Amino acid sequence: RKEVEQDPGPFNVPEGATVAFNCTYSNSASQSFFWYRQDCRKEPKLLMSVYSSGNEDGRFTAQLNRASQYISLLIRDSKLSDSATYLCVVNKGHSGNTPLVFGKGTRLSVIA
Amino acid sequence: DGGITQSPKYLFRKEGQNVTLSCEQNLNHDAMYWYRQDPGQGLRLIYYSQIVNDFQKGDIAEGYSVSREKKESFPLTVTSAQKNPTAFYLCASSIGRQAQETQYFGPGTRLLVL
Repeated sequence: RKEVEQDPGPFNVPEGATVAFNCTYSNSASQSFFWYRQDCRKEPKLLMSVYSSGNEDGRFTAQLNRASQYISLLIRDSKLSDSATYLCVVNKGHSGNTPLVFGKGTRLSVIA
Repeated sequence: DGGITQSPKYLFRKEGQNVTLSCEQNLNHDAMYWYRQDPGQGLRLIYYSQIVNDFQKGDIAEGYSVSREKKESFPLTVTSAQKNPTAFYLCASSIGRQAQETQYFGPGTRLLVL
């Protein structure tokens, strides 16, 4: 099983739609979870950290399911500007000193 | 302006040549990282440094070297031993010394082999 696995997409959705991405990770001891956004030919930028209790930031909601080892990202009321690749990021293991592992990303295209 | 800068934006390397990519940050972050991204692929960790004068190999360190003589700077040298260097190179930093912390990225350097 890969350390971090994501559906590559692309997800093509109309403006205003709700879209959800899932990500699975292999190490049950992982402690840190993030979603990053990467625009074409640009650097990744932090979208949100993912907490055990789940968290919401405007139209974006992230959930963590430790038992099943997956993380989700929900985007409501999609905007054209949401078109990007979304990277799921997890740290490797139980120690705070274990580096982050980046998934290959899920590509989202929001269509007018 | 605080941030992470990388230079150059584009770099061309001839066969057998060593090239050095610059990464500077003025965020007073302790840790710095180098990643490589190939088309359609995720980021892969090359090297990271959690403190000045110390660094660790990542998953794909072969053919690369780094130094961390100053907190602000973490240059990456792509040596001639790296046989497939064409990629997008990203430098990142994080506030503390824990490798699991949130990372902030520079704009990247695209390296092309002539």
